[in-house]
Amino acid sequence: EAGVAQSPRYKIIEKRQSVAFWCNPISGHATLYWYQQILGQGPKLLIQFQNNGVVDDSQLPKDRFSAERLKGVDSTLKIQPAKLEDSAVYLCASSFDLQGVQETQYFGPGTRLLVL
Amino acid sequence: GENVEQHPSTLSVQEGDSAVIKCTYSDSASNYFPWYKQELGKRPQLIIDIRSNVGEKKDQRIAVTLNKTAKHFSLHITETQPEDSAVYFCAATDFQKLVFGTGTRLLVSP
Repeated sequence: EAGVAQSPRYKIIEKRQSVAFWCNPISGHATLYWYQQILGQGPKLLIQFQNNGVVDDSQLPKDRFSAERLKGVDSTLKIQPAKLEDSAVYLCASSFDLQGVQETQYFGPGTRLLVL
Repeated sequence: GENVEQHPSTLSVQEGDSAVIKCTYSDSASNYFPWYKQELGKRPQLIIDIRSNVGEKKDQRIAVTLNKTAKHFSLHITETQPEDSAVYFCAATDFQKLVFGTGTRLLVSP
C-alpha cells in the first residue's frame, strides 16, 4: 500500500513570497489533514477535509493560508504572503474514517519550509 | 476545546530499562488516544493506540494505559533499546480534532 505523498520535500523562500504544498493521500482515505509542526512542538491541525468538504479550519490563518481538495483526493495548501514565523514542517495526513469512529492517521514525509 | 499535556519533555534511560511517558487531557468526550514516534527528520508513525472502552493495551514491549476518571493515559516501553530513541507524541480526540501533546524526547543510552 502506497503511503501519503507530499511535495516538495524542502522549500526556501523569502518573506512575503508565496508557496504551495501538494499532498496525495492513501487511496480510499476520505479524510485529509494538514498540520503545521514548528521545531520542538507537536503537530498542530490547520485544516481537515472530509472528501472535498472542510470539517475544521478553526486554526488556519485565513488571511494568508488557503487549502483546497477539489476532487476529494489530492490537496494543496498555499501560503501567501509568507512570514518568518511560517517556517515549519507542513505535514499531510489521511485516514479512512468509518462513520463515527476515529481511525489511524497516516502521515506523509512533510515539507520543510524555511522563510528568510 | 481539547488540551493535552505531556511529561516529561526529555527522558534519558539506560538500555534495558523501562520508560514511562504520561499525558493528561481536558475533554471528557475524548475517546481515542494514539501515540506516535517521530525520529529526527522523519514523519510521525503510530506505535500504539487505545480507545476509551478499554483500560490497557499491549503490543510486545509497548503498552498504553488509560484512566478515564482521572483523564490521563501513559505509554510504557520495557526493555528499551537504542533504536527506541526518538520523540514520542501523545494525542487525544473526540473524532472532531486530534490534539497532540508537546512531545517527549527519549534517549536510550547503550
